Amino acid sequence: AQSVTQLDSHVSVSEGTPVLLRCNYSSSYSPSLFWYVQHPNKGLQLLLKYTSAATLVKGINGFEAEFKKSETSFHLTKPSAHMSDAAEYFCVVTMDTGRRALTFGSGTRLQVQP
Amino acid sequence: DAGVTQSPTHLIKTRGQHVTLRCSPISGHKSVSWYQQVLGQGPQFIFQYYEKEERGRGNFPDRFSARQFPNYSSELNVNALLLGDSALYLCASSIYAGTLPTQETQYFGPGTRLLVL
Repeated sequence: AQSVTQLDSHVSVSEGTPVLLRCNYSSSYSPSLFWYVQHPNKGLQLLLKYTSAATLVKGINGFEAEFKKSETSFHLTKPSAHMSDAAEYFCVVTMDTGRRALTFGSGTRLQVQP
Repeated sequence: DAGVTQSPTHLIKTRGQHVTLRCSPISGHKSVSWYQQVLGQGPQFIFQYYEKEERGRGNFPDRFSARQFPNYSSELNVNALLLGDSALYLCASSIYAGTLPTQETQYFGPGTRLLVL
């Protein structure tokens, strides 16, 4: 079975300060890991994707994530938050075999204070 | 290129009714997946279809069904609606090009928000 745990339901940062959204995963097989973002009343947008090519993955809008197998983590970071980053962020896992369904974490709501 | 489109955007139904939600994938994508997102939670997998065949099913009752058409568009049907079916229903499409899920990325539509009264 596969699962993801997002360690913080809410994160609040000031504009211009770093962002860290934490995610731990559990998977019996080689996982593919994703971060998606959902702005209010919008669908899901892919931020970045890890598929074993490189452990540090760069995404859109300045976000990046590092895959750490020893810690089973895939934390999302951004050096400097912008007001437009305020949204719900989902860490997602899928297995490298079998059904291709995405398994979502419960989400982290990021607030950016001016 | 147009992204994934879904219709309708919003829907209000009463308990016991039936609903049909529609999804058109990105051009060239042959796989469609459906997810249910209850308020305050992450999306949960309902179905995946590829080339008109069901390739995966999540832990949902038989009241939920889906199908995929020759043009790769898809419908999600829910019978005997319950209050708990109120949610945002998301459709995602992918190319389903290889044998490994790592070769795929699922792209999501804006969703259909269903309210059951």
